[in-house]
Amino acid sequence: SAVISQKPSRDICQRGTSLTIQCQVDSQVTMMFWYRQQPGQSLTLIATANQGSEATYESGFVIDKFPISRPNLTFSTLTVSNMSPEDSSIYLCSVVSQQTQETQYFGPGTRLLVL
Amino acid sequence: QKEVEQDPGPLSVPEGAIVSLNCTYSNSAFQYFMWYRQYSRKGPELLMYTYSSGNKEDGRFTAQVDKSSKYISLFIRDSQPSDSATYLCAMKQTSYDKVIFGPGTSLSVIP
Repeated sequence: SAVISQKPSRDICQRGTSLTIQCQVDSQVTMMFWYRQQPGQSLTLIATANQGSEATYESGFVIDKFPISRPNLTFSTLTVSNMSPEDSSIYLCSVVSQQTQETQYFGPGTRLLVL
Repeated sequence: QKEVEQDPGPLSVPEGAIVSLNCTYSNSAFQYFMWYRQYSRKGPELLMYTYSSGNKEDGRFTAQVDKSSKYISLFIRDSQPSDSATYLCAMKQTSYDKVIFGPGTSLSVIP
């Protein structure tokens, strides 16, 4: 299985500011994803982070609000821009196993609180 | 109708009980079925993975898929307090497709 780390693990931010979340994987992976999990709810896919090209966003999520970078096969960042209290959530990085291309693993998450 | 439905619970059982967790889905194209366990303040952890219909057993955990009924189950035998967590079912159409998650069932195993 892939080992995924995220930084920061948690943060408290002021309205109107931006936060960049980092995701590091211990092996090269083809597919990386960013999810949001709002309090008491399930996971919602924000976007697929594509290496060497622009991310693919799901309905309801836009690049201006959630810019994503993926400079190589082991690293990605998600920025939450111009934050509001509604952005308070857990943000999770996820990867698909290079070996099986079927199983999906998750990082520990970044817990964000916007005041 | 939501694409994946799951009773949110909370479900509370005594230690040693058999737990049955279930999901129903509407998209008959789903082929890959997963169960994740999520402890409080942690990321989801893959528990079981099944392709197409049938059963899969791993220790105290058994996953069942009935594609004809669009119904999947996770059974936990001899439940332990350490099994207390939220259990998320998840599924996708192809190996490269995005994963659709159920809302999760909160389980408490009481000592």
